[in-house]
Amino acid sequence: EPEVTQTPSHQVTQMGQEVILRCVPISNHLYFYWYRQILGQKVEFLVSFYNNEISEKSEIFDDQFSVERPDGSNFTLKIRSTKLEDSAMYFCASRRTGMLSSPLHFGNGTRLTVT
Amino acid sequence: SQQGEEDPQALSIQEGENATMNCSYKTSINNLQWYRQNSGRGLVHLILIRSNEREKHSGRLRVTLDTSKKSSSLLITASRAADTASYFCATVDFGNEKLTFGTGTRLTIIP
Repeated sequence: EPEVTQTPSHQVTQMGQEVILRCVPISNHLYFYWYRQILGQKVEFLVSFYNNEISEKSEIFDDQFSVERPDGSNFTLKIRSTKLEDSAMYFCASRRTGMLSSPLHFGNGTRLTVT
Repeated sequence: SQQGEEDPQALSIQEGENATMNCSYKTSINNLQWYRQNSGRGLVHLILIRSNEREKHSGRLRVTLDTSKKSSSLLITASRAADTASYFCATVDFGNEKLTFGTGTRLTIIP
């Protein structure tokens, strides 16, 4: 069964550094998402992306965050200047259609540790 | 209470028993979904129930939805050790594609 893949599985970075988290969504999917989960807390929506544009973003997704689909397969999340509070699991997700009843397929996540 | 609160927060049962988890929410939803998360892994979609549905089955899973009480329950019958995981409900509101997740229930099946 096709999977959403994320790399790296674990990223350690120093405060203030830029990080890029990478995702390869399922190949025929058109809608892409980033969520994050701070340890012990809820999974939180960050951003949705469709047709090379951000379609929705949360309050968390401030100017330090950006997303890109640089080619036909990758979907990236960039954090320009990381903060300690950015430490979390970051999940990429995709789905084939924009129908509200279409379930999301999640990757296994990237654990980001900011020191 | 917050959108998507689940109870109990943790549940331990013997293998073979049934497990029931509950979820409450606050908004008018288009649908409610349940996801499973094994430790350190991603979320796996289990089942979706639309706002005009009251009950849905998938294998050993049974989901109910009561929109008047803004609550849902997930029943796993004949539990197995492999069912050990965290279970999250997630709601989708009308006109808004994002998932709003609950706090999750950590289920432990004792062999």
